[in-house]
Amino acid sequence: EAQVTQNPRYLITVTGKKLTVTCSQNMNHEYMSWYRQDPGLGLRQIYYSMNVEVTDKGDVPEGYKVSRKEKRNFPLILESPSPNQTSLYFCASSLRDVTDTQYFGPGTRLTVL
Amino acid sequence: QQQVKQSPQSLIVQKGGIPIINCAYENTAFDYFPWYQQFPGKGPALLIAIRPDVSEKKEGRFTISFNKSAKQFSLHIMDSQPGDSATYFCAASMHRDYKLSFGAGTTVTVRA
Repeated sequence: EAQVTQNPRYLITVTGKKLTVTCSQNMNHEYMSWYRQDPGLGLRQIYYSMNVEVTDKGDVPEGYKVSRKEKRNFPLILESPSPNQTSLYFCASSLRDVTDTQYFGPGTRLTVL
Repeated sequence: QQQVKQSPQSLIVQKGGIPIINCAYENTAFDYFPWYQQFPGKGPALLIAIRPDVSEKKEGRFTISFNKSAKQFSLHIMDSQPGDSATYFCAASMHRDYKLSFGAGTTVTVRA
């Protein structure tokens, strides 16, 4: 089954404790992206990757890091989480870019205390 | 600042009604306008998309209307059903781009 998976689905952590949210796709897509969803703000793009070893900033990259060492994986790293990073996070992938159908993962709800 | 403005924030209709969601943009370089549907606890899923060379696109009961001169586009859900209750997001991007700008979302409730 073609899908995007994210782990963990739920995470409660404390300020400053490094964490990684994993994202994996099995569709051999070149493009992957991370979004955060907040009430009243919709989805905002954090980082995206056009292919292996190629990443770039979205609209809200501060406090986040990403890497793309393999085509299927695109982890999101919060090196020193803060409460304003409490949010619902989605990973997405598509064949080449955002004008191809983007497939979203199930989401990771992160709470930073 | 949000590049795509979406309204209303929420709306409630009776079964069979036609909820209409409106979006507006400023960047005239945008040329791809998708709509996403999100059910509670799920990720968004692409519903329908339009490019500015057409003024209307239909897929089943979902219709996008596009007004290039006004820089506005809207989603109509014909003969709405309780199963259409979800949050809907409009979005916009430039041609073959890697960045996608979303509206704030509209929660639609269809009452039986």
